[in-house]
Amino acid sequence: AQSVTQLGSHVSVSEGALVLLRCNYSSSVPPYLFWYVQYPNQGLQLLLKYTSAATLVKGINGFEAEFKKSETSFHLTKPSAHMSDAAEYFCAVSDRTGNQFYFGTGTSLTVIP
Amino acid sequence: GAVVSQHPSRVICKSGTSVKIECRSLDFQATTMFWYRQFPKKSLMLMATSNEGSKATYEQGVEKDKFLINHASLTLSTLTVTSAHPEDSSFYICSARDWTRSSYNEQFFGPGTRLTVL
Repeated sequence: AQSVTQLGSHVSVSEGALVLLRCNYSSSVPPYLFWYVQYPNQGLQLLLKYTSAATLVKGINGFEAEFKKSETSFHLTKPSAHMSDAAEYFCAVSDRTGNQFYFGTGTSLTVIP
Repeated sequence: GAVVSQHPSRVICKSGTSVKIECRSLDFQATTMFWYRQFPKKSLMLMATSNEGSKATYEQGVEKDKFLINHASLTLSTLTVTSAHPEDSSFYICSARDWTRSSYNEQFFGPGTRLTVL
């Protein structure tokens, strides 16, 4: 069985500050991990994904995430927040077949000018 | 590549009517499509998985007679909400997988459909 926990349903950062969104997973098999962003009334846009290659994954819009097996974590970071980063972020885990996607409960990011 | 569209983007209907939502893979063939429901300020809940040419597999607690899913072609899946009621109001999102891609285990998401039942 797989599951994802996102710590912090709301995160606020100042413009230019570091963004850190936390994601911990539980999986009985080597997982694939994803981060998605959702803007209001829109679908999900893939930010980045981990599929067992490099543990540090770089995505779009300056985001990156590091897979840490020992900590079962896949936290999302961005060095400098931009106003346009304000959105809902979802972490997801799947098995290698991709048939089962499990989403976290989401983290709403607010960027303060 | 890997674009998924949904139609309509928004629909408002009266209680008791049926609503059909289409999910199309525009530039690839999707042997498997997924339907999710998202409540306000909540995460996505998988409703069902549909494979082309076969019956959909519904998640526990999802009424198959209420939410009819048809995946008649490799590029189109439809979700019909039958006899809609206000509690069916939600944001419905579909996704699709492309077995021919190296990223076959990735799901590509549509933009969502906002259903409001009056």
